[in-house]
Amino acid sequence: DGGITQSPKYLFRKEGQNVTLSCEQNLNHDAMYWYRQDPGQGLRLIYYSQIVNDFQKGDIAEGYSVSREKKESFPLTVTSAQKNPTAFYLCASSKNSIGRDYGYTFGSGTRLTVV
Amino acid sequence: DAKTTQPTSMDCAEGRAANLPCNHSTISGNEYVYWYRQIHSQGPQYIIHGLKNNETNEMASLIITEDRKSSTLILPHATLRDTAVYYCIAARGSQGNLIFGKGTKLSVKP
Repeated sequence: DGGITQSPKYLFRKEGQNVTLSCEQNLNHDAMYWYRQDPGQGLRLIYYSQIVNDFQKGDIAEGYSVSREKKESFPLTVTSAQKNPTAFYLCASSKNSIGRDYGYTFGSGTRLTVV
Repeated sequence: DAKTTQPTSMDCAEGRAANLPCNHSTISGNEYVYWYRQIHSQGPQYIIHGLKNNETNEMASLIITEDRKSSTLILPHATLRDTAVYYCIAARGSQGNLIFGKGTKLSVKP
């Protein structure tokens, strides 16, 4: 079955370390997204990519970096510059289509904790 | 993208219909209404979306008012597994990013 896979499910990071969260999809979707969710809050957009080798900053991009070298993959790096990285991170994808929109498919998330 | 307003929480008895309201009074003509739900500690799940007409699928029905300023998501026979946070989002098509607010926490009770 097609889907979107995030790994790992839980991740622990020491302060000052960079860490990379994986997101892979086999849905042949054009666009991919990274969101952050804090307890009791909605989702906030970090970065998004509409096509390979191109990506745009979302509302809270500071302290994060991404790459989109393949259509299927959109890894997120949480750098040491991100002051409060402990959160639930969600990756999503969607199929761009002119004239009709399709919903987002989300992964199951990665819970990052700074220790 | 248009801002949406939803109640913070709602209760529903198991087996009854759950009607979740959403106000989007500033919605523009090319913005869709999307509904997602998020079960605790999981990724959001797409439920349904619509532009002008009412929509129905195997999960739910979406009723959009004629002036498009509000909508209602209907779960016809709620079960305990429908307990989740439900997000109503108004956004343009493929060019618009989805903005998730705090949503409505629906609790289905036996």
